Amino acid sequence: GAGVSQSPSNKVTEKGKDVELRCDPISGHTALYWYRQRLGQGLEFLIYFQGNSAPDKSGLPSDRFSAERTGESVSTLTIQRTQQEDSAVYLCASTSQRRGPTDTIYFGEGSWLTVV
Amino acid sequence: AQSVTQPDIHITVSEGASLELRCNYSYGATPYLFWYVQSPGQGLQLLLKYFSGDTLVQGIKGFEAEFKRSQSSFNLRKPSVHWSDAAEYFCAVGARGGGNKLTFGTGTQLKVEL
Repeated sequence: GAGVSQSPSNKVTEKGKDVELRCDPISGHTALYWYRQRLGQGLEFLIYFQGNSAPDKSGLPSDRFSAERTGESVSTLTIQRTQQEDSAVYLCASTSQRRGPTDTIYFGEGSWLTVV
Repeated sequence: AQSVTQPDIHITVSEGASLELRCNYSYGATPYLFWYVQSPGQGLQLLLKYFSGDTLVQGIKGFEAEFKRSQSSFNLRKPSVHWSDAAEYFCAVGARGGGNKLTFGTGTQLKVEL
C-alpha cells in the first residue's frame, strides 16, 4: 500500500481480555517498529524487527506484550490480560533501511486502545 | 542511553508570528536528530532530520532546525506560522550504530491564534 496501515483504528476492550493489533508496513520495507503513546506523553519504543534478524524486544513493558512478524510483511502486537494502564495509541512504523539508520521512518495512524 | 527533553508542553503563537520549539538531547556522541509533526487524526510525519554536515537543516512546510553541539540542542524554527501548523511536535534522537530505534521527547502542543 501507499503507507503504513494499522487496524483496528479504535478498540475498546474489557480489562483482562486479550487484544491483537495489526500493522501492514510499506511494501519492501525490511524494518518495522512498534511504539506506544500514552495520553500526554511521548512515544515509547516497544519492539523492532529487521529482516530475519532476532527482534529487539527491549522496550516491551511486560511479558503480557508480544509481537510477531512474518518475513517482511504484516506484524501483530498482542497484549494479554489487558490492564487499564495499557490504554494508549499503539503506533507502527516501517523503513526500508537500505541506507542504514538514516532512512526515513514512516508511521501509521495508530491503533487507539481503551481498556475499561 | 540517549534521551530527549522538550521543555515546553504547550505553546501558543499568533498566525504570522515566528516560532521556536526547543529540544535538548543527551547522547554521548553526535546523534541523529529528527523533528516529527503529528496532526489530529494523522500519523507522525517527518519534518526534517540531521545526520551530519551543515548544522542548519531545512525541512518541509517552511521549517528549519539548527544543531548546536555545545548546547546539546536541536531547536525547530519557522519564521511565519500558519494556522495549519497547529499540531503536536516531537523531537527524536537516534543512536549511531544502534539500529534505527528512536527516542522521542514528550512533545510540544502548538496552538495558533488567528
